[in-house]
Amino acid sequence: SQQGEEDPQALSIQEGENATMNCSYKTSINNLQWYRQNSGRGLVHLILIRSNEREKHSGRLRVTLDTSKKSSSLLITASRAADTASYFCATDATDSWGKLQFGAGTQVVVTP
Amino acid sequence: DTEVTQTPKHLVMGMTNKKSLKCEQHMGHRAMYWYKQKAKKPPELMFVYSYEKLSINESVPSRFSPECPNSSLLNLHLHALQPEDSALYLCASSQTRAGGPYNEQFFGPGTRLTVL
Repeated sequence: SQQGEEDPQALSIQEGENATMNCSYKTSINNLQWYRQNSGRGLVHLILIRSNEREKHSGRLRVTLDTSKKSSSLLITASRAADTASYFCATDATDSWGKLQFGAGTQVVVTP
Repeated sequence: DTEVTQTPKHLVMGMTNKKSLKCEQHMGHRAMYWYKQKAKKPPELMFVYSYEKLSINESVPSRFSPECPNSSLLNLHLHALQPEDSALYLCASSQTRAGGPYNEQFFGPGTRLTVL
């Protein structure tokens, strides 16, 4: 079963705009990860945020984590057409050795 | 080498065929995974191997049979599949946990399987 739920399900923006997507989860976690998937391809790891961290940056990506609300957000700044992809959050739950629980994903389309 | 490779890229098989999917990594990771992904859905975990031993089987039907011959290789043997098994099959690897949180998983490009 999926632990993470993401919203929105789909997001359409223009190049240069920012894209924000949210992830909610249900149980205690060790860390939360964000992955990108281009159409029909494998997943690419973007960023990992541990349960004792509140914010993390990597290039144009900013991730926040609020463990009290069991939620995370991914912000992509100054989006590019190449950012068009599906984005998944995945949680490493404290009671779920070896398993990542993926959210349903947000499909992002960036138009030039 | 930070790559997970999967072969074949595409596979079409009949319901009576036997085929195998292969996955390889040379990152020294001792945890390897098989996922199944249907269109517009997130990956669903099938199996986890840790130190070449099967540690998690997510109640996968026996027509899927995993094998981990060594620390770099992971196979998925397929037999008597159903059309609903058509999907993208993804392999991943990661460092293992020793009392601490997991690191990220590295995914291969997947095998697109069609069962006729």
